[in-house]
Amino acid sequence: NAGVTQTPKFQVLKTGQSMTLQCAQDMNHNSMYWYRQDPGMGLRLIYYSASEGTTDKGEVPNGYNVSRLNKREFSLRLESAAPSQTSVYFCASSELEGWTEAFFGQGTRLTVV
Amino acid sequence: RKEVEQDPGPFNVPEGATVAFNCTYSNSASQSFFWYRQDCRKEPKLLMSVYSSGNEDGRFTAQLNRASQYISLLIRDSKLSDSATYLCVVRGVTFGTGTRLQVTL
Repeated sequence: NAGVTQTPKFQVLKTGQSMTLQCAQDMNHNSMYWYRQDPGMGLRLIYYSASEGTTDKGEVPNGYNVSRLNKREFSLRLESAAPSQTSVYFCASSELEGWTEAFFGQGTRLTVV
Repeated sequence: RKEVEQDPGPFNVPEGATVAFNCTYSNSASQSFFWYRQDCRKEPKLLMSVYSSGNEDGRFTAQLNRASQYISLLIRDSKLSDSATYLCVVRGVTFGTGTRLQVTL
């Protein structure tokens, strides 16, 4: 049982480059999330999708876009990467937004130089 | 004021000790609370949910104090394997910064 799968696991970008982080879950969950984790800052919510067809901004959405492609997949796009976006990115899913356990992917370590 | 605040620690305790963490939250309308555990360079995983009446799972006890707007996690008889960062979660999606626990021999 794969759970939540994120790709890639590691990425180095140059400032100004774009990339898309992919996330897929096989638990038939309704809600999906993107977080970033920086030292001393904890996990901060970037965007979330409470259900297929909806997306909403979280605490730190600037510089990011998301797409809920279908119930399984939720992608995060950096249009023009900046060094401030160097972070560890986690995708998560849950059955019911805010009320049930969230399952996390293994994370993507992104460095922007 | 941050929506969720935790003491970052680290808490250094000997094996067998009892240790407690608190987490305060600002939104009085919050209804769902959790504790997650995160090992170094790994993803967070659910430790336990926090119910209004308090709940216990082996050596771990979670409590909610709505009047003072905090949740707590008590770990009894600490094991070396308990060394990790403990994250509180409010409204199911808002994480605290985490409290690091180091259990030593």
